[in-house]
Amino acid sequence: DQQVKQNSPSLSVQEGRISILNCDYTNSMFDYFLWYKKYPAEGPTFLISISSIKDKNEDGRFTVFLNKSAKHLSLHIVPSQPGDSAVYFCAAEPNRDDKIIFGKGTRLHILP
Amino acid sequence: DAGITQSPRYKITETGRQVTLMCHQTWSHSYMFWYRQDLGHGLRLIYYSAAADITDKGEVPDGYVVSRSKTENFPLTLESATRSQTSVYFCASSDAGGPEQYFGPGTRLTVT
Repeated sequence: DQQVKQNSPSLSVQEGRISILNCDYTNSMFDYFLWYKKYPAEGPTFLISISSIKDKNEDGRFTVFLNKSAKHLSLHIVPSQPGDSAVYFCAAEPNRDDKIIFGKGTRLHILP
Repeated sequence: DAGITQSPRYKITETGRQVTLMCHQTWSHSYMFWYRQDLGHGLRLIYYSAAADITDKGEVPDGYVVSRSKTENFPLTLESATRSQTSVYFCASSDAGGPEQYFGPGTRLTVT
């Protein structure tokens, strides 16, 4: 049973517009959420994270929003740039666990 | 150079052969992880290690063996490779203080 779900396998966005990637989770014991970005033939790289005690975290063009009541988080990229074309993985860490659980990823295409 | 490296980057082997994938990190991170990435499945945890000589199973451990005699190395062995183990394998490490994991570049393994 998938605990971290990224229901959109792919997303296309015009350059300069906002990209919104969504993630849903089922376990209310998750207390830390992360986003990773992955280019082809490279390992995932950590992008941004948010603690469950917050509802927003911002880092430059990237903002993550957390809605605990809906068990939903989203990553906003504004403005979208060609280099943002990649696969984005949502991940979550259960409370007092050493591991993180990944979603299946969403492929983002930034169109010129 | 500091960081996390994997070798080989590409490997083709035959069914039934033993294969070892190497992972080395220079950060002295206590935690190390092995994932496989397959289409439609995202990143799935195979094994992880909290410290030297401490290892534990992840989501998909069957057919794999790990060891961690030194903090910096975490080899993954397929004792008798099967076609279903054709995948891209990623090693990652993290510091004990935080959930962010840092990934190696991956090993693409093909079992014929």
